[in-house]
Amino acid sequence: DAGVIQSPRHEVTEMGQEVTLRCKPISGHDYLFWYRQTMMRGLELLIYFNNNVPIDDSGMPEDRFSAKMPNASFSTLKIQPSEPRDSAVYFCASSPLQGGEQFFGPGTRLTVL
Amino acid sequence: AQSVSQHNHHVILSEAASLELGCNYSYGGTVNLFWYVQYPGQHLQLLLKYFSGDPLVKGIKGFEAEFIKSKFSFNLRKPSVQWSDTAEYFCAVTSLGSQGNLIFGKGTKLSVKP
Repeated sequence: DAGVIQSPRHEVTEMGQEVTLRCKPISGHDYLFWYRQTMMRGLELLIYFNNNVPIDDSGMPEDRFSAKMPNASFSTLKIQPSEPRDSAVYFCASSPLQGGEQFFGPGTRLTVL
Repeated sequence: AQSVSQHNHHVILSEAASLELGCNYSYGGTVNLFWYVQYPGQHLQLLLKYFSGDPLVKGIKGFEAEFIKSKFSFNLRKPSVQWSDTAEYFCAVTSLGSQGNLIFGKGTKLSVKP
């Protein structure tokens, strides 16, 4: 199994631009999670899905952030417009079980200038 | 609300020293417990997990953790650390009544001096 796949691995953009991060979970995993990691705030859960349905988006910072999961094998996290304070590493994780182990992707390092 | 506390922000040890990282959680029901490790520049990887049974859990790379229900603790231990153990360690908890998300601690950065 290839594990959780994220793209791009690195993204550098300018303030105001739209950014789209992509995630392919492990096949058969019903849960998908988006996290953000920064030095100041640590690891934060942004949103998670169960069977493609968003369950909890209370961690999404503001309306500039949106996430979708159109099918079981693909999810996107979009930031529009991006701001320098959005610079962080964004991780996607998937899990086969409620409350089970989460498998993390390699992350996308986002830099907003 | 559930929370996870990791007592040490940064621990510095010499090689061969023993390690214990503290983790306490605030949920009184049945829980699943995890320790993840993040090596510099990499993603989180599972070190070990506890769901039920023997409260002393052994994980990869010589790590172990002990679940003490009465203390709401799940401390991570290793008898002798190596330079390659330099990483950040995260404790995480989920309850059986939750929808599926993990609650992570803030992490403990471990630096091992050669």
